[in-house]
Amino acid sequence: GENVEQHPSTLSVQEGDSAVIKCTYSDSASNYFPWYKQELGKRPQLIIDIRSNVGEKKDQRIAVTLNKTAKHFSLHITETQPEDSAVYFCAAMDSSYKLIFGSGTRLLVRP
Amino acid sequence: DVKVTQSSRYLVKRTGEKVFLECVQDMDHENMFWYRQDPGLGLRLIYFSYDVKMKEKGDIPEGYSVSREKKERFSLILESASTNQTSMYLCAASRGVGGANVLTFGAGSRLTVL
Repeated sequence: GENVEQHPSTLSVQEGDSAVIKCTYSDSASNYFPWYKQELGKRPQLIIDIRSNVGEKKDQRIAVTLNKTAKHFSLHITETQPEDSAVYFCAAMDSSYKLIFGSGTRLLVRP
Repeated sequence: DVKVTQSSRYLVKRTGEKVFLECVQDMDHENMFWYRQDPGLGLRLIYFSYDVKMKEKGDIPEGYSVSREKKERFSLILESASTNQTSMYLCAASRGVGGANVLTFGAGSRLTVL
């Protein structure tokens, strides 16, 4: 079955710097890759997703890139702000439509 | 927005007790899921359901069962709770049959098994 690995587990950046979180997946049939953000004490919420027919997608300060050949995808946050501090989860949808999550990255943006 | 409501935010149970975690969604979504969340392990899928009375095992179904008698309600059952089932349990719902659809999560149920 699908296996998703996520790195790093923790990331600390200065406000205004960029943050990059990377994920790899194992099932070459996976074709949908969402990212969820979970603020402290709150439920995870979708922030951006990408499908396998595109290589990059942007939404204001966040972007996701996908390399299907290498089976990895990344989340990029530019001009980080304190409110970006949260746990971020990547995920991949396997061939049976199950969404398999990575282990999460705790991002801390220092003011 | 889909609202996904988990009836209990915090539960404390004893080893061997039968535990029911209830989840209700109010927007007629076909798909419902139960995940457990543990530090450093992310969100792991326990069971999911694409339709009434239908259920599929996720990655960690051992020790759990589910029930979906009505479209809006998806229950997670721990037949005999054990201490290693102490965790945060998240219910989620999504629209559509299969495919790539946004998960809307409930607020979570934090279960402690003593």
